[in-house]
Order: sequence, then C-alpha cells, then structure tokens
Amino acid sequence: GENVEQHPSTLSVQEGDSAVIKCTYSDSASNYFPWYKQELGKRPQLIIDIRSNVGEKKDQRIAVTLNKTAKHFSLHITETQPEDSAVYFCAAVRDNYGQNFVFGPGTRLSVLP
Amino acid sequence: DAGITQSPRYKITETGRQVTLMCHQTWSHSYMFWYRQDLGHGLRLIYYSAAADITDKGEVPDGYVVSRSKTENFPLTLESATRSQTSVYFCASREITEAFFGQGTRLTVV
Repeated sequence: GENVEQHPSTLSVQEGDSAVIKCTYSDSASNYFPWYKQELGKRPQLIIDIRSNVGEKKDQRIAVTLNKTAKHFSLHITETQPEDSAVYFCAAVRDNYGQNFVFGPGTRLSVLP
Repeated sequence: DAGITQSPRYKITETGRQVTLMCHQTWSHSYMFWYRQDLGHGLRLIYYSAAADITDKGEVPDGYVVSRSKTENFPLTLESATRSQTSVYFCASREITEAFFGQGTRLTVV
C-alpha cells in the first residue's frame, strides 16, 4: 500500500518568513495530493490540493509543487502569520482504485510573532 | 443540518466493553473513512468504504469492525475495547476531491 513520509515533524519560523513542508510517497499510481491544516482541538480541513497532471498550484500565500518523477510534493507558505500555526498533513491518494486516503505523520508549524 | 457529524463527542468506557462510534453524512458521498489520531502518529486509516456494503481495511484495522448498510452511515465498533484504543477518532467522507472530516470523538478506555 501507499506510504507517505513528511518532513520536518516540527517547524518554527518568524512571522513574515516562509515555511516549506515536504512529503514523499511510494505508490507511483497516486494521482491526488491534498494538504490539510488542523488547528488545536479541531478537525482537519483542506487548504490546497493538486492532481498529478499539474506541477504547481497557488492560492494566495499557499502553494503546492509536485515532482512525479521523484515522487515528492511540497507545501509552501509565504508571509507566515500567527494564525498559520497548526499541524499540517499531506496525503497521497490513488483515485479510482480503493480510495485509500493515506496521510503523512504531520508537521507542527509554529509562527513566532 | 448538512454535513458530517460524529457521536458521541466524548466517551469513557471500560476495558473489554463493546463501544460503537457513529458517523453520519448528509451529502450522499460514496466514500467514507475512519481514522484514529494519536500523538506522534498523525491520522491513521482504520477502515474505509467505497459504497454501501463495500468496506476495506486500512493501516490499523485490528480490533475494529465497520458496517455500511446505508450510504449516509458508517459506524465503527470496538468489539472488546483495550487501553491502546484510547484515541481521538475522526470520520470523513468524500466524493471526488476534498475529504470532509467530522468533529471527532475522544474515546478513553479505562
């Protein structure tokens, strides 16, 4: 089955700096890669996603890049703000086959004011 | 209310007891999932379902049973609860892209 690794496990940045979180996956057939944000005590919520036919996607301060050859994808947050502090999870999904939605172990991001 | 809801929100049970966590979604999503969340382990998939009467094991299925007789419901049963099953459980549903999560159930086994 799919195996998703995520680094770093914790990340601290100064407010206004950029943050990058990287994930690797094992199943070359995975074709959908979402990123979720989970604030303390709350449910995970989607912040951005990308499909395998796209190399990069942006949404305001958030971007995701995908390298299918290397089987890794990254989340980029620019101009970080204190409200970006949360745990971020990546996932790799093999759509149209089992829908086995497997997450990475998460990255705890702290944005220091 | 539209959405995905879990019940109960909090549950304390004794070792060896059977407990069922409920999950209900109003979107008629085909896919539903159960995860457990423990410190240091992120979200681990227990079971998932592609449609009514179709279920499959995830990463950590041992000690759990699921059923899906109706599209909107996906209950998770711990047949004989153990302390290692103390965790926060999240249910999720999905159709094409985004998976939507319930608010979670915090289960403590004493």
